[in-house]
Amino acid sequence: DAGVIQSPRHEVTEMGQEVTLRCKPISGHNSLFWYRQTMMRGLELLIYFNNNVPIDDSGMPEDRFSAKMPNASFSTLKIQPSEPRDSAVYFCASSLQTVEPGTEAFFGQGTRLTVV
Amino acid sequence: QKEVEQNSGPLSVPEGAIASLNCTYSDRGSQSFFWYRQYSGKSPELIMSIYSNGDKEDGRFTAQLNKASQYVSLLIRDSQPSDSATYLCAVNGHGGGGADGLTFGKGTHLIIQP
Repeated sequence: DAGVIQSPRHEVTEMGQEVTLRCKPISGHNSLFWYRQTMMRGLELLIYFNNNVPIDDSGMPEDRFSAKMPNASFSTLKIQPSEPRDSAVYFCASSLQTVEPGTEAFFGQGTRLTVV
Repeated sequence: QKEVEQNSGPLSVPEGAIASLNCTYSDRGSQSFFWYRQYSGKSPELIMSIYSNGDKEDGRFTAQLNKASQYVSLLIRDSQPSDSATYLCAVNGHGGGGADGLTFGKGTHLIIQP
């Protein structure tokens, strides 16, 4: 399996523009997570989906952020309008949830977003 | 608010020695615990998971869990320069069934000195 695939790897945009980040989870995984990583705050969970349904979006910083998962093999994270403080590395991760404990999440390579 | 605390380091260890990394967590209901390794500019990579009190060994790595004291540790034996990275402790709040995102600590920067 190719692992979790994210695109683009790098994105530079101007303040006020719309940004869309994309993620393809590992085939067969039923949970998908979006994280943001900065030096100051570390890795923060933004939102996660289980069987394509958003379960908890309490980590989404504000209404400018939205995420969708239209099917089991694709998810998007959109920022509109973008601001310089949104600059970070955004990771997508997926896992296979079972009745056993643990959510061993596998991460994509990340999208480095710079808003100027 | 779930919190996971780690010493940011850097932790400097001579090659061949044992590196000891520690982590504490605030949510007593936490069920699953993970150690991820992250090289600079790369994504986090899972190296160990532990669910029960005690020790779990995998090669040069040993994870230790003490739920009563709410701490998790990672020991790296025979440290190699390639072990130099940031180690992230992660905690999952729930047990089996259903999805739950991980809460991460900010990581400990480990440096193995040749």
